[in-house]
Amino acid sequence: ILNVEQSPQSLHVQEGDSTNFTCSFPSSNFYALHWYRWETAKSPEALFVMTLNGDEKKKGRISATLNTKEGYSYLYIKGSQPEDSATYLCAFRAGGYQKVTFGTGTKLQVIP
Amino acid sequence: DAGVIQSPRHEVTEMGQEVTLRCKPISGHNSLFWYRQTMMRGLELLIYFNNNVPIDDSGMPEDRFSAKMPNASFSTLKIQPSEPRDSAVYFCASSLGLGSAFFGQGTRLTVV
Repeated sequence: ILNVEQSPQSLHVQEGDSTNFTCSFPSSNFYALHWYRWETAKSPEALFVMTLNGDEKKKGRISATLNTKEGYSYLYIKGSQPEDSATYLCAFRAGGYQKVTFGTGTKLQVIP
Repeated sequence: DAGVIQSPRHEVTEMGQEVTLRCKPISGHNSLFWYRQTMMRGLELLIYFNNNVPIDDSGMPEDRFSAKMPNASFSTLKIQPSEPRDSAVYFCASSLGLGSAFFGQGTRLTVV
């Protein structure tokens, strides 16, 4: 069983604040790390897929970094907006294997 | 492409009845995943197919659950007989190779 952990479990921030959260995963046999955004009553939507140590990806105000040697990825949101409120999931893929293991997510609430 | 299409969106059934959930993946995608979302366990992978062949069904809870993918454009997840503890949202997702998965809208199953 692969251990993929996310922290914090939930987070409340004020509109305009920047925030970040963490995904920890096994540092051995790494292949890819995915980030998804999951709004209530919708389905998860892919944000990033990261494969190389030191990778940084950016999409608008959201960015992510990857450290495969120590087994963590950070997701950053700059200037949070109410529409950023969602659960952010990371998913770890080992060694070229299609199976992904999801973390339990960080639930973000941005307060106007 | 319309994305991953799941049917029905909602299903309410009585304990002991057979339930069949359906999924049409994105055309051209060669991997298909069935997930179950519950409050307790988050998003769990039940089974996935690669090129229509079941690769890993270790997440299928018990023999009451079965999944098929008779061709590249259709998959079913069957529960027979259904039990109240099977109540959950069931997601189907598809991907191309090792890329990010695209999720359907989910089927909310309630077993009474």
